[in-house]
Amino acid sequence: GAGVSQTPSNKVTEKGKYVELRCDPISGHTALYWYRQSLGQGPEFLIYFQGTGAADDSGLPNDRFFAVRPEGSVSTLKIQRTERGDSAVYLCASSLNSGGGTGELFFGEGSRLTVL
Amino acid sequence: AQSVAQPEDQVNVAEGNPLTVKCTYSVSGNPYLFWYVQYPNRGLQFLLKYITGDNLVKGSYGFEAEFNKSQTSFHLKKPSALVSDSALYFCAVRDGHTDKLIFGTGTRLQVFP
Repeated sequence: GAGVSQTPSNKVTEKGKYVELRCDPISGHTALYWYRQSLGQGPEFLIYFQGTGAADDSGLPNDRFFAVRPEGSVSTLKIQRTERGDSAVYLCASSLNSGGGTGELFFGEGSRLTVL
Repeated sequence: AQSVAQPEDQVNVAEGNPLTVKCTYSVSGNPYLFWYVQYPNRGLQFLLKYITGDNLVKGSYGFEAEFNKSQTSFHLKKPSALVSDSALYFCAVRDGHTDKLIFGTGTRLQVFP
């Protein structure tokens, strides 16, 4: 597609439920990033993939959060046993980076997660 | 670890006046610096970046930014503000050792007619 696509755009769930958020990056982009943005805050880094592997998952807040990118394209962010504090906009971005860090990120419009 | 600071939560400027949005950074190696803009209910859009070379970089929508190594700053500027520039602006930084991009907390720019 022309840009980064994220689904669903909005997700409302109950505390304790399992949630999956999907990201479809720009075709040909090898790097894929997940960020979380709370109201009034800057994007908080969660995890970064280079190809199929997680190159840096140091931002995942705890073991309830997990992300995969099995074929090096689409990625899924998975949140188990959701808590109200997980409510935020989850942003996905992709980049042509092949290492070196000079490429800009292209962001999707985000998935807004609300945990009741 | 790298970090970035945006000391102003909000900047107000009259249309037609010059604007500056401040950013300072901290990295262990050479910095790669970026500015992004976020309009209401939209994703972040890339404005410009500094990787190496000329300290003054030009980007989208007439914005520019000046890299100052001694002051570890990368302030965003525009000579003449437009009402349509009103948005949330984020500074971000990587060092040369990682592809992780770290964002500041953002500055809301309000341009008044």
